[in-house]
Amino acid sequence: DAKTTQPPSMDCAEGRAANLPCNHSTISGNEYVYWYRQIHSQGPQYIIHGLKNNETNEMASLIITEDRKSSTLILPHATLRDTAVYYCIVRVPSTSYDKVIFGPGTSLSVIP
Amino acid sequence: NAGVTQTPKFQVLKTGQSMTLQCAQDMNHNSMYWYRQDPGMGLRLIYYSASEGTTDKGEVPNGYNVSRLNKREFSLRLESAAPSQTSVYFCASSGTGRNEQFFGPGTRLTVL
Repeated sequence: DAKTTQPPSMDCAEGRAANLPCNHSTISGNEYVYWYRQIHSQGPQYIIHGLKNNETNEMASLIITEDRKSSTLILPHATLRDTAVYYCIVRVPSTSYDKVIFGPGTSLSVIP
Repeated sequence: NAGVTQTPKFQVLKTGQSMTLQCAQDMNHNSMYWYRQDPGMGLRLIYYSASEGTTDKGEVPNGYNVSRLNKREFSLRLESAAPSQTSVYFCASSGTGRNEQFFGPGTRLTVL
């Protein structure tokens, strides 16, 4: 299974872009990169995912390097409500289910 | 749609007592999961169910049993609770296609 490495914590000023990095140097060709976040005491929430192309949705953008060994989640205009733990996950391929392994994640603090 | 619901929200048990945590989803998802999250840590998979009628062990199954009652419901049972099982328990479900997981609000369990 591919492992991911994220910084344990980051700060971001309100209104600025938050760029959260993730290293997944052992990712295999058919594994996707998923991002979730967990706001304090709540269940995790899906944000975005991608295979090799950059992706954007209403919440965030995902930039994956050409060699797929790292990626960056971008929150374009961070708000106080974006303060949360962000998990970068590499999906383990399986024929029967979608096993997701959560690491410790990055604790993002958005500062007024 | 309610999404994923869990009951109870909070529970205090004495060592050796038993209890069942309930989870239900209304998204017609095939796969369901139980995770535990200890303070300051990521989520760890306890058990999962790829489809109705099937269950499999995850990373930390010892001390737990599960039942996939039907497509909607997936319960987690502690037969003889121990203080080491004090944790927040999250249920999740996922469908086919994008396979992102949808999480419930969690059950906060304390075993004295």
